Amino acid sequence: KAGVTQTPRYLIKTRGQQVTLSCSPISGHRSVSWYQQTPGQGLQFLFEYFSETQRNKGNFPGRFSGRQFSNSRSEMNVSTLELGDSALYLCASSLASGPQETQYFGPGTRLLVL
Amino acid sequence: AQSVTQPDIHITVSEGASLELRCNYSYGATPYLFWYVQSPGQGLQLLLKYFSGDTLVQGIKGFEAEFKRSQSSFNLRKPSVHWSDAAEYFCAVGARNTDKLIFGTGTRLQVFP
Repeated sequence: KAGVTQTPRYLIKTRGQQVTLSCSPISGHRSVSWYQQTPGQGLQFLFEYFSETQRNKGNFPGRFSGRQFSNSRSEMNVSTLELGDSALYLCASSLASGPQETQYFGPGTRLLVL
Repeated sequence: AQSVTQPDIHITVSEGASLELRCNYSYGATPYLFWYVQSPGQGLQLLLKYFSGDTLVQGIKGFEAEFKRSQSSFNLRKPSVHWSDAAEYFCAVGARNTDKLIFGTGTRLQVFP
């Protein structure tokens, strides 16, 4: 069974631009979460989606948004990029929402903002 | 508020030596606790998790962790470290009805031959 797929793997953008990252969960998984990983702040929770509904949102500005499609694929968008948005963005999927379900992480999308 | 503390930023051990990585958590109710490992350029892989029951939890790759409520700790152990265990290790706490995890800052493990 294929794992969690994230595209693109690497991305370079300039300040002020916007970016869309994609996450394809493991087949059959309906829950998707996003995390931002930086050397300074570590791993921080961004969003959680289940059956196209956002169930939880982390403490990030409104420039960060996301959505989930009917096939459980998810996208996150960052508008008006800032230098501090440079990070590894990780997506995780699980069968259903809740800590009892194992979350499987993708390899991440590394975003560099210049 | 939930929080996780990993006091050790960097640990170096010799191959074959035993290992203990420390994790302390803050959570009002019975926590859902996790240990993840991240190899360079990779995502996170779940090593083990604790929800309830037996406080000694066995995981993959020969790792185990012990939940101690009185000390608010969930330390990860391995009796004999292999060079392939070199990676970054994250402790995390979760809550009921959400996938959201609060991660510690991580401990980087270096293994010398």
